[in-house]
Amino acid sequence: EDQVTQSPEALRLQEGESSSLNCSYTVSGLRGLFWYRQDPGKGPEFLFTLYSAGEEKEKERLKATLTKKESFLHITAPKPEDSATYLCAVPAEGSGLTFGEGTQLTVNP
Amino acid sequence: DSGVTQTPKHLITATGQRVTLRCSPRSGDLSVYWYQQSLDQGLQFLIQYYNGEERAKGNILERFSAQQFPDLHSELNLSSLELGDSALYFCASSPNPGRETQYFGPGTRLLVL
Repeated sequence: EDQVTQSPEALRLQEGESSSLNCSYTVSGLRGLFWYRQDPGKGPEFLFTLYSAGEEKEKERLKATLTKKESFLHITAPKPEDSATYLCAVPAEGSGLTFGEGTQLTVNP
Repeated sequence: DSGVTQTPKHLITATGQRVTLRCSPRSGDLSVYWYQQSLDQGLQFLIQYYNGEERAKGNILERFSAQQFPDLHSELNLSSLELGDSALYFCASSPNPGRETQYFGPGTRLLVL
């Protein structure tokens, strides 16, 4: 059974203070790893898809990386508007996504 | 805006009742997924349809059912509702099943009293 574990559960940063979120996964065969951002009461917003170890993708202040066992979401010089819950997920064979519990990020001005 | 639409946004009902949630996928997407998000369970995959046919089932209760119509919109039917069914229900879509990115709708918040 696929498993996804995210850490930390919550992270509080000062504006401009860079950090990383971790997503560890156990899957029978990696079919991709997805990062989403979710604001309270809203639907998950797609950020990145990574398919193979060593792959990296960037978007504004966010950069996602992938190894054979985990993925990192690096946040460089965050702003208060980056505050949200960040979710990672893996697709099961012929099925839906298995999500981690998420990291709740708060960026204080 | 992901392009996935869901109605209604909010739904309040009583235990034992039945409700129907509706989802319209992004233009061109053939695959629709339903997820439930509650405070204690996180985001859980319920069921997937592809081009009108059921393709995969996740943690969906027998009281719940879904279908996808020829115009590709989907409906999730929840019956004999219990307090514990209160949650956010999301629909997502992708062009094809499998490894492709799923785009989520804004969700329907269900409150069972």
